[in-house]
Amino acid sequence: DMQMTQSPTSLSASVGDRVTITCRASQSISTMLAWYQQRPGKAPNLLIYKANSLASGVPSRFSGSGSGTEFTLTISSLQPDDSATYYCQHYNNYSWTFGQGTKVEIK
Amino acid sequence: EVQLVESGGGLVQPGGSLRLSCAASGFTFSSYWMSWVRQTPGKGLEWVAKIKFDGSERYYVDSVKGRFIISRDNAKNSLYLEMSNVRPEDTAVYYCARRGSGWWGADYWGQGTLVTVSS
Repeated sequence: DMQMTQSPTSLSASVGDRVTITCRASQSISTMLAWYQQRPGKAPNLLIYKANSLASGVPSRFSGSGSGTEFTLTISSLQPDDSATYYCQHYNNYSWTFGQGTKVEIK
Repeated sequence: EVQLVESGGGLVQPGGSLRLSCAASGFTFSSYWMSWVRQTPGKGLEWVAKIKFDGSERYYVDSVKGRFIISRDNAKNSLYLEMSNVRPEDTAVYYCARRGSGWWGADYWGQGTLVTVSS
């Protein structure tokens, strides 16, 4: 079974910091990867798809990279509104598999 | 504006049944694959089921096969999840989600509905 492993599990950073979250797939998935932001009590919100494509309306401080088994989500300058949990997702024509999430807190 | 609004969640006893609904608006519902995804504090996000735009194909995660049925009514712009023989481990927030156009992930999600399985 496919497994998606995120690191770190949580992080605390200051406004303006550059933040990087890593997602590793248990087998190669090409660029079939998305990133979502979820605030408490809300639904996930799409940030990045096809590993590096920015979703409509998403601020440009968010970016994604990687292919194969290792991927990263980068927030270039952390803002107070970015306090949330971030999930990676592998998608294929059959199912979706999610990482366990990374909680980002603002110092 | 794309909107997905779930309803039908609640408290159900183990072995019981429940029907979740998802009302879609703001897009051509009959052109999109749709899915149900659930979320628990312990297991995180888990894809549950998906259905083709015309209802002709349906797929399920192994843990719900034979117990859950996904369906849709394109005339009513609605997606459904019939849950039967529910178990405590089915307790979760259930989201409906639209599959993206040109890629296979979820581009829009509803706000979720809570299902609690307990006696």
